[in-house]
Amino acid sequence: QAVLTQPSSLSASPGASASLTCTLRSGINVGTHKIHWYQKKPGSPPRFLLRYKSDLDNQQGSGVPSRFSGSRDGSANAGILLISGLQSEDEADYYCMIWHNSAWVFGGGTKLTVL
Amino acid sequence: EVQLVESGGGLVKPGRSLRLSCAASGFTFDDYAMHWVRQAPGKGLEWVSGISWNSGGIVYGDSVKGRFTISRDNAQNSLHLRMDSLRPEDTALYYCVKGSGGSSTNWGFDYWGPGILVTVS
Repeated sequence: QAVLTQPSSLSASPGASASLTCTLRSGINVGTHKIHWYQKKPGSPPRFLLRYKSDLDNQQGSGVPSRFSGSRDGSANAGILLISGLQSEDEADYYCMIWHNSAWVFGGGTKLTVL
Repeated sequence: EVQLVESGGGLVKPGRSLRLSCAASGFTFDDYAMHWVRQAPGKGLEWVSGISWNSGGIVYGDSVKGRFTISRDNAQNSLHLRMDSLRPEDTALYYCVKGSGGSSTNWGFDYWGPGILVTVS
């Protein structure tokens, strides 16, 4: 089982909200890890969006709009990237990442389609 | 403005070596950890290696451990990746990435270079 599991794809309408999940493997507690989120568009390098551990321990990337926010769902053992007021420019691949077992580990990525 | 520019990529035969470099500017280089992250064609992101601000903390991903060597030259604001015993599965776009803090095992990453293509065939 992968360390981090992300849905392969997600679709949402312009103006709506999208909730992207990053589920940690059983035995890895979301409450003790910072979840880092990156946006990747074709032909461009990834962009740091934010990192989230708790409401008191989180950081937004430079220039990242506040409509991108992080949270966690302890019952699902998952980190969440919430994008509100979806715009066409938000269409991209989104990756989560944690530090685990002496390595940085990425999830497989979620392709977000805005249509 | 943070700028990271990779160089040294190209086509190489399996088993051969290649050295990537990254020129950094726009920030105090020796305050921050640096990393290499790659993306194979049609695949997701894979962290390769990281080095702390003073080279005291070096870490590698399992797929490159023993074959790749990361280093930095703080006087020249440069980061390097020596890649030995290259395999076809090392074919990827390699990104030079700035850490968000001085440690290679904490803080994560923020700024990324445009990437350099390495093809092993």
